[in-house]
Formats: sequence, structure tokens, C-alpha cells
Amino acid sequence: GAVVSQHPSWVICKSGTSVKIECRSLDFQATTMFWYRQFPKQSLMLMATSNEGSKATYEQGVEKDKFLINHASLTLSTLTVTSAHPEDSSFYICSARRTGAGDTQYFGPGTRLTVL
Amino acid sequence: ILNVEQSPQSLHVQEGDSTNFTCSFPSSNFYALHWYRWETAKSPEALFVMTLNGDEKKKGRISATLNTKEGYSYLYIKGSQPEDSATYLCAPRLGGGSQGNLIFGKGTKLSVKP
Repeated sequence: GAVVSQHPSWVICKSGTSVKIECRSLDFQATTMFWYRQFPKQSLMLMATSNEGSKATYEQGVEKDKFLINHASLTLSTLTVTSAHPEDSSFYICSARRTGAGDTQYFGPGTRLTVL
Repeated sequence: ILNVEQSPQSLHVQEGDSTNFTCSFPSSNFYALHWYRWETAKSPEALFVMTLNGDEKKKGRISATLNTKEGYSYLYIKGSQPEDSATYLCAPRLGGGSQGNLIFGKGTKLSVKP
């Protein structure tokens, strides 16, 4: 149990376009989901915390207008990178905290975004 | 800036060797310490969540200890196997409830040669 899927696993897009990444908890409900970004040889950095039915909480330095997060249901959160630029190229990974099951976060497999 | 250090960065061992790595973190406002195992092209897999000073947890050949007063945790693998090859991440949570998110280290990459 506690499987999280993420789609797409990789995407290449042109500069200026928007890209949507989906994160789904397949076999449990997740009130809270998290979005992380990882640059090469760096650690996972939290971008934002997504709560079902409310606005996401963004970490300092993360532009909320650029990284749009929607958590419309207990099993789905989406991250949209708007007007993507080459510096947005990175590895994006989501996690979900299972409702009522403690502190453990269950991760998706991540999405590799390349902006040309 | 809260710093989480993992050492070594990478480790190459032979099948059957036992190994251990270290995670150091700020000891103030400690809430919990998470260990994850991350194989290439897969999702990070939760290994342990530890909360109390002196905690020891075990899962098969893998075990972990926690010292919250001095801010470190050790992960041990007994009799390493090729399938143990992965990056091992530690992430303390400093602050509980709605505050305090996981702060990840860069990980220790373990390669086990058959």
C-alpha cells in the first residue's frame, strides 16, 4: 500500500510554454501533498505544501505565480510550471502524507523537466 | 539555514560487507528523523521514522540509531547485497504539527559489487 504515481516521468518543452505535472495517491487519501525540486548533486528542496481544498503554502524564494499548485481532491495534486525557462529545468518530485497515518511521506518517482 | 550533513557521499563495498553511514542535523526543535532508500528510477522508499533519543529501529539487515541530543543518526547495513545499492537519504523534521517540514541531506550513494 501507499503508492504515489507521478505523470509525466519526463518532459521536454520550449521556453515560454507551461507544463503540468500530476501527483496521485493511488491507494490512500492524502490531505497533504508536498512538491520538491532537486538540482544536480543537490538535496531535495521543498517548494510548497499542498493541502486539499485550500491554497498551497510556498517556501521562501519560490514564486507562487510561476509554480501553480492545485490540490482539488484527496488523491490528486498538480504542479504547473508557467512560462517555463531553461533555469526551471530540474527534477520535480511529489510526496503525500497519508491521512491519519503519522508522519511518513510517500513519494512519487519524480518528473524530469527540460526546458529548451 | 538548517544544514543536514550525510557522510560519506558515496560508498563502494563488496557483497557481504557490513557498512554504516552518518546523518548529522541541528539538535534544536527536533521532532522526528526519517530515513529513505532511493533506487535509481524509482520512488524513494520510507525505511524508518525515529522520534526518541536512543531509538533503535531494524528492518531486515538494515538498522538505525538516533541521538537527538547531539544531532546524529547512524544507518547500518549488515552483509550488504547488490540489491542494497541505492542512495540513502536522511531527513529530520524540526518542529511538529503544521510547522516543520522534512529537510533532506544530499544522501549517501551505496554501490554493492557482487
